Amino acid sequence: AQSVTQLDSHVSVSEGTPVLLRCNYSSSYSPSLFWYVQHPNKGLQLLLKYTSAATLVKGINGFEAEFKKSETSFHLTKPSAHMSDAAEYFCVVTRYSGAGSYQLTFGKGTKLSVIP
Amino acid sequence: GAGVSQSPSNKVTEKGKDVELRCDPISGHTALYWYRQSLGQGLEFLIYFQGNSAPDKSGLPSDRFSAERTGGSVSTLTIQRTQQEDSAVYLCASSLVGVGRESTDTQYFGPGTRLTVL
Repeated sequence: AQSVTQLDSHVSVSEGTPVLLRCNYSSSYSPSLFWYVQHPNKGLQLLLKYTSAATLVKGINGFEAEFKKSETSFHLTKPSAHMSDAAEYFCVVTRYSGAGSYQLTFGKGTKLSVIP
Repeated sequence: GAGVSQSPSNKVTEKGKDVELRCDPISGHTALYWYRQSLGQGLEFLIYFQGNSAPDKSGLPSDRFSAERTGGSVSTLTIQRTQQEDSAVYLCASSLVGVGRESTDTQYFGPGTRLTVL
């Protein structure tokens, strides 16, 4: 079984300050991990993904995430928040479950607000 | 088009009516997923299609829900006798499934259909 816990349902930061969105996972297998972003009334957009090639993953829009196996964490960070970063962010763990099937588990999401 | 498209973007219906939601995946993508996003519930997996294999229906919440995928491309999610608790955003995603146990597959999502059952 696998699970994803996003530790904060809502994070508020000032424009220009760092962003930290926390994600912990549980998986019996070596997982692949993703962060998706969803802007209001828009679909989910892939920010970045971890596939065991490197523990520090760089994504779009200046975001990055570090896979820490010892802490079972995959926190999302950005050095300086921009107003356009205000959105909901989802941490996702996925594993191949055979016969071409992928099991995905989504976290409940973290809503990021950016204060001018 | 380059991305996953869904129609309609919004659907308002009365309790008890049937609705059909459509998804056009990215051309060439063999895997197609349906999810439901409800307020306070996060994203919930509904059903998965891969090529010509039997779909994985393990996430469908009741027998009022069904889905088809014709010709390995377009998919339709049907909800019969809609209830107010069916109100949600229904998201479709597609992916190009690799061969073997490499679980690096990325899903590309459509904009969703917002369903409101009155």
